[in-house]
Amino acid sequence: DAGVIQSPRHEVTEMGQEVTLRCKPISGHDYLFWYRQTMMRGLELLIYFNNNVPIDDSGMPEDRFSAKMPNASFSTLKIQPSEPRDSAVYFCASSLAPSGLHTDTQYFGPGTRLTVL
Amino acid sequence: AQTVTQSQPEMSVQEAETVTLSCTYDTSESNYYLFWYKQPPSRQMILVIRQEAYKQQNATENRFSVNFQKAAKSFSLKISDSQLGDTAMYFCAFMRSPYGGATNKLIFGTGTLLAVQP
Repeated sequence: DAGVIQSPRHEVTEMGQEVTLRCKPISGHDYLFWYRQTMMRGLELLIYFNNNVPIDDSGMPEDRFSAKMPNASFSTLKIQPSEPRDSAVYFCASSLAPSGLHTDTQYFGPGTRLTVL
Repeated sequence: AQTVTQSQPEMSVQEAETVTLSCTYDTSESNYYLFWYKQPPSRQMILVIRQEAYKQQNATENRFSVNFQKAAKSFSLKISDSQLGDTAMYFCAFMRSPYGGATNKLIFGTGTLLAVQP
């Protein structure tokens, strides 16, 4: 398997522009997660999906952020309008469904480094 | 709320030596999972090792092993025979058991930057 795929790897944009980050999870994984990594806040969960349905979006910073998962093999994270403080590395991760008391490991994509000027 | 603390921002070790990275966590849960992830300069987050809290035996993966002390809420990572390729940021992470509909959220520590010296 190719692992979790994210695009683009790098994105540079100007304040006010719309940014769309893309993710393809590992085939067969039921869960998809979006994380953000910054120097100030470290790694934090933004939102996650189970079987394409958003389950917990409490980490989404504000209404400028939105995420969708139209099918099992594709998800997007959109920022509109973007601001300089959104500059960060955005990771997508996926995992299998938990089984009873057990859960499975989250596997991360290579991340998208976003710079908003 | 759960928290994860890594008290060593940076560490250095000579090639072929052994190094231990510390991690403590705070939780009132009895069922949970602990992970160590590695982030090399390429930025990729790579799973190193995982531990289920209900298992008393410490997890081992080749040169990587953990010392899991549940009562002390401690989860340290030991790297034996350190290699130059082990140079990376290491993150300790906690996840509640998803039983009962709990969120599958990884809570990360702030990381330890490990430099392996030739």
